[in-house]
Amino acid sequence: DTGVSQNPRHKITKRGQNVTFRCDPISEHNRLYWYRQTLGQGPEFLTYFQNEAQLEKSRLLSDRFSAERPKGSFSTLEIQRTEQGDSAMYLCASSLGQTRAAEKLFFGSGTQLSVL
Amino acid sequence: KNEVEQSPQNLTAQEGEFITINCSYSVGISALHWLQQHPGGGIVSLFMLSSGKKKHGRLIATINIQEKHSSLHITASHPRDSAVYICAVKENTGFQKLVFGTGTRLLVSP
Repeated sequence: DTGVSQNPRHKITKRGQNVTFRCDPISEHNRLYWYRQTLGQGPEFLTYFQNEAQLEKSRLLSDRFSAERPKGSFSTLEIQRTEQGDSAMYLCASSLGQTRAAEKLFFGSGTQLSVL
Repeated sequence: KNEVEQSPQNLTAQEGEFITINCSYSVGISALHWLQQHPGGGIVSLFMLSSGKKKHGRLIATINIQEKHSSLHITASHPRDSAVYICAVKENTGFQKLVFGTGTRLLVSP
């Protein structure tokens, strides 16, 4: 499978715990995006990487959230001290990133987080 | 008011009907995406367009930049078209993020 891979698919955690999600983009894709989606809503932008550089970050991304893409390949999204309001589907997407023009995005299946 | 508005929110159709989903946006854009989301989360890109019209099989997407409006049409709808259809825009600010609408939930009955 050469699509965008996200792990785990589901995560249940208790309030206050830390969680980490992983995204493996399509191998030749330079751009990687994290979005968050709650029930009945469209995805909301969290952050964007061009290779290993985190170039855009939403105000939604509080100091409890941190994302990395250390070698410009896979990325991790960590949420510290989880709150019930963090419960959502966390979506990763990637795109080729060879031009400044708009590009087609390829999405992973997401990680569904439930904070109890 | 959301930057991207879709209508209708929910749509029920009989198999074979012609379907139109609308998207209006309030910001300057460099591109508009139409995406399909099935239960379970997976999102698939259907179209990316910045002007005119695109067609792929039974799907047609149009955009009017002056009116800040786009439509997604499905001809000869089929139950397998049942999904949430989402419009998203890339603003012409140089940023890479997409701003999404809330989606249109389509149910096509046999």
